[in-house]
Amino acid sequence: AQSVTQLGSHVSVSEGALVLLRCNYSSSVPPYLFWYVQYPNQGLQLLLKYTTGATLVKGINGFEAEFKKSETSFHLTKPSAHMSDAAEYFCAVSDRSGGSNYKLTFGKGTLLTVNP
Amino acid sequence: DTGVSQNPRHKITKRGQNVTFRCDPISEHNRLYWYRQTLGQGPEFLTYFQNEAQLEKSRLLSDRFSAERPKGSFSTLEIQRTEQGDSAMYLCASSPGGGISNQPQHFGDGTRLSIL
Repeated sequence: AQSVTQLGSHVSVSEGALVLLRCNYSSSVPPYLFWYVQYPNQGLQLLLKYTTGATLVKGINGFEAEFKKSETSFHLTKPSAHMSDAAEYFCAVSDRSGGSNYKLTFGKGTLLTVNP
Repeated sequence: DTGVSQNPRHKITKRGQNVTFRCDPISEHNRLYWYRQTLGQGPEFLTYFQNEAQLEKSRLLSDRFSAERPKGSFSTLEIQRTEQGDSAMYLCASSPGGGISNQPQHFGDGTRLSIL
């Protein structure tokens, strides 16, 4: 069974500082990897995904993530935080074989706070 | 692309009552998923439809829960004899089907259920 671990349930940064949100997965085969963002009382919005090819993927709003197979990690970064980045961030995986109907398994989320 | 639409956005009901939620996926998306998200947790998979066929149900989906997707378009999720533990955000997501295996799921804004 797949699982996702997000280290740090709450991360606080200053505006303009580097954002680093950590995600590690457990899977017998490297899965598809996703980062979603959730603003209060809203659904989830896709930030970026890794399926195949280049291991450094760029997403919306200046975020990027790097897939490291040897470390089973998919950490999310942004060079300079903006106040509007304050939200909850979820890392998710899905089985690339399709045997699980591509359902998503999520981590518990990391709440990002950006201080002025 | 009008997005995934969920109704109602909020539902407050007394314990023991039945409730029904509706999800309208992005048109022509064959795959439809339901997830449940409790406070401080990531979404958890409930059930999956490919067109009108319900192909997978989580163990979280007790016999009080039923989901349908008639004609492969909108979907409904019904909870009978609601319990306090059913209080959560219920999220619907859709994605293209067919041979496209790595397309991300698009989420609606969810229905927040509160049981009094």
